[in-house]
Amino acid sequence: TQLLEQSPQFLSIQEGENLTVYCNSSSVFSSLQWYRQEPGEGPVLLVTVVTGGEVKKLKRLTFQFGDARKDSSLHITAAQPGDTGLYLCAGGSQGNLIFGKGTKLSVKP
Amino acid sequence: GAGVSQSPSNKVTEKGKDVELRCDPISGHTALYWYRQSLGQGLEFLIYFQGNSAPDKSGLPSDRFSAERTGGSVSTLTIQRTQQEDSAVYLCASSLPPWGTTGELFFGEGSRLTVL
Repeated sequence: TQLLEQSPQFLSIQEGENLTVYCNSSSVFSSLQWYRQEPGEGPVLLVTVVTGGEVKKLKRLTFQFGDARKDSSLHITAAQPGDTGLYLCAGGSQGNLIFGKGTKLSVKP
Repeated sequence: GAGVSQSPSNKVTEKGKDVELRCDPISGHTALYWYRQSLGQGLEFLIYFQGNSAPDKSGLPSDRFSAERTGGSVSTLTIQRTQQEDSAVYLCASSLPPWGTTGELFFGEGSRLTVL
């Protein structure tokens, strides 16, 4: 059974701070996705990483896929209150997409 | 509409009753997923439909849960004899290429089910 573990589970920081959240598994994934979910809404895709060692940047967000394709990280530079939300990583194969439990981020002004 | 539409948005039912949740995917999307999300938690996979292939039902928690997809479009998730532990937000998502080809999942806003 493929499992995705995310850490930390909760993170509360001040505006302007940097942070990193992690997504780890004992399984190899062909690709991983990161989604952000705000209260009362469905998750929205941020990025898909496909190649081991790949780094993708989306404005202040930097995503990295581990060389062995078992883990990924999300780094946010100079966090803003608008970054507040639940960050979910997702991976899988054969159509079944599984999600981690997420990191709940709160950025205080 | 342009996005995934789910109904009802909120459903309160009594223990033991049956409920049906509906999902209208984005037109033309061949893959459709159902997930369950308990308060503040991640998404628990329930079932996946892809085109005319047999659905992947491996995530359904019990035989009280079933889902169908008619005409490759609208899907209905049915929960029979509801229990209090079924209370959760049920999310539907669709994608054009299925996950296996790194398709992006587009989610609806979910149906919040409360079983009293």
